[in-house]
Amino acid sequence: GIQVEQSPPDLILQEGANSTLRCNFSDSVNNLQWFHQNPWGQLINLFYIPSGTKQNGRLSATTVATERYSLLYISSSQTTDSGVYFCAASPKAGTASKLTFGTGTRLQVTL
Amino acid sequence: DADVTQTPRNRITKTGKRIMLECSQTKGHDRMYWYRQDPGLGLRLIYYSFDVKDINKGEISDGYSVSRQAQAKFSLSLESAIPNQTALYFCATSAYLPFGNEQFFGPGTRLTVL
Repeated sequence: GIQVEQSPPDLILQEGANSTLRCNFSDSVNNLQWFHQNPWGQLINLFYIPSGTKQNGRLSATTVATERYSLLYISSSQTTDSGVYFCAASPKAGTASKLTFGTGTRLQVTL
Repeated sequence: DADVTQTPRNRITKTGKRIMLECSQTKGHDRMYWYRQDPGLGLRLIYYSFDVKDINKGEISDGYSVSRQAQAKFSLSLESAIPNQTALYFCATSAYLPFGNEQFFGPGTRLTVL
């Protein structure tokens, strides 16, 4: 099946700093999503982005499907951005709905 | 608001007990999924259903069963719970699109098996 790898595994930032999280995937994808898991365990949809670029406030994401990677940008980070960020993808071949998750990037934003 | 809900939100049970986790959605989606998350890891797919008459095994289905009672309801059962099934369980839904579709997740059920 498709492999999804995220980097870095851990990241500590001071409030106000910018960061880039990376997701590499091993196959062509029909679906690529970014999630934020907050300290209470809830998964929050950030982006549905199998290709192209999207922005939502301080967050933006870019997926370069031909090169099989996606980037999540966080600008002017805040303590509420802390948590784990997951990338998940499903391959074009086979059943489009079966998401495979990476192991996440754990972000801690300090004052 | 259209939503995905899970009950219970927390459950502690003993080894050997049968337990059911329930998921309901008001999004009008045909497709529903059950995932499991272990500490420090991403989610893994247990079962998925594309409509009421369609049930499919995911990556880690052993020890679990499911029931799709209606388009809006999808239940996960542990017939005889064991400690290594202690995990955070998520239900998700998606609409059908020809190529790919966005999944929306419930709040999760934290299950502890003693």
